[in-house]
Amino acid sequence: EADIYQTPRYLVIGTGKKITLECSQTMGHDKMYWYQQDPGMELHLIHYSYGVNSTEKGDLSSESTVSRIRTEHFPLTLESARPSHTSQYLCASSELRNNSPLHFGNGTRLTVT
Amino acid sequence: EDQVTQSPEALRLQEGESSSLNCSYTVSGLRGLFWYRQDPGKGPEFLFTLYSAGEEKEKERLKATLTKKESFLHITAPKPEDSATYLCAVLAGLSFGAGTTVTVRA
Repeated sequence: EADIYQTPRYLVIGTGKKITLECSQTMGHDKMYWYQQDPGMELHLIHYSYGVNSTEKGDLSSESTVSRIRTEHFPLTLESARPSHTSQYLCASSELRNNSPLHFGNGTRLTVT
Repeated sequence: EDQVTQSPEALRLQEGESSSLNCSYTVSGLRGLFWYRQDPGKGPEFLFTLYSAGEEKEKERLKATLTKKESFLHITAPKPEDSATYLCAVLAGLSFGAGTTVTVRA
């Protein structure tokens, strides 16, 4: 059963549109993460958060932004979508303690035409 | 620079044919190495965490081991349902390898 939910599951959108990918978790986890994954490639960390009002950028340069107003919610926003943003976006959460494993959602497959 | 490299990229096995996957890492201070399984169209699912050289963990047909430079995921007598991409990660998920895609044929 999924305790971390991502919507939409699939999204096809035109260039220049603003989009928000939703991620919610019901486990009360403090840490949340956004990854980008292309087929056959490693997961690249885009953003992460240690808790409410905390956001950090990952190792992948991205035109996206995130917010963490509530513990359970960590949305990712692209102000102006481009074809280069076409990818799979995975959200994850974990407990605050070091070395806590990540729990992943099933992802949003984004296609920008 | 912290790095995680997995090999091989793909592994095709006959049912019952045991094999091993490799994850080599270079990090400044390992604080845990994680193994995940990812099925097509789904997010990764946590399998194991290993903390120190010599440590081993087992789950069904999977056994993970750790040395100072690498980790192995051994698959013993695999079944078709073991087909998946296996990912390793260090630094509590901040750095992932590209994965090994395992296909087990009946």
